[in-house]
Amino acid sequence: DTGVSQDPRHKITKRGQNVTFRCDPISEHNRLYWYRQTLGQGPEFLTYFQNEAQLEKSRLLSDRFSAERPKGSFSTLEIQRTEQGDSAMYLCASSTAGGHYNEQFFGPGTRLTVL
Amino acid sequence: GEDVEQSLFLSVREGDSSVINCTYTDSSSTYLYWYKQEPGAGLQLLTYIFSNMDMKQDQRLTVLLNKKDKHLSLRIADTQTGDSAIYFCAESIRGYNKLIFGAGTRLAVHP
Repeated sequence: DTGVSQDPRHKITKRGQNVTFRCDPISEHNRLYWYRQTLGQGPEFLTYFQNEAQLEKSRLLSDRFSAERPKGSFSTLEIQRTEQGDSAMYLCASSTAGGHYNEQFFGPGTRLTVL
Repeated sequence: GEDVEQSLFLSVREGDSSVINCTYTDSSSTYLYWYKQEPGAGLQLLTYIFSNMDMKQDQRLTVLLNKKDKHLSLRIADTQTGDSAIYFCAESIRGYNKLIFGAGTRLAVHP
């Protein structure tokens, strides 16, 4: 399967714990995006990388959130001191660069539940 | 401002046409997209339209764009039970790489 993969698919944690999610994009894609989707809503943009550079961050990405893409391939999203409001589906997408149109291919998501 | 709105639910009979509507507010939108989300699966791009186009047809899918009214629609001809899913309208804005999504329209197809 050469699509976007995410790990884990599900994560249950207690409030106050730290969690880390991983995203592996399609291999030739140099752009990588993180979105968050809460129940009954569409995905909301969190941040985006071009290669290893983090080029844009949403105001939704509080200080407790950090994303990295150290070698320009896979990416991690860490949430520190989780809160119940962090419960959501975290989606990763990747695309090629260049031009106005760049189809973003989405992974299956990591569903986070904070108890 | 950035805002994309959709009706939340649509129910159609199998074989009928479905029309899902979307409105957006940012006149700088460059591309508009329709994504499909099925349970347990990732978002799948169905089709897209460039902002200087009025219509795009792709097999059973027809996208209409009214740029003056900032209104986008997706028509699915001969709707099948396999079309039951949540459909998201999204826009990308010149100079930005993120997608801005609506809340999604749940399409239910019944016999």
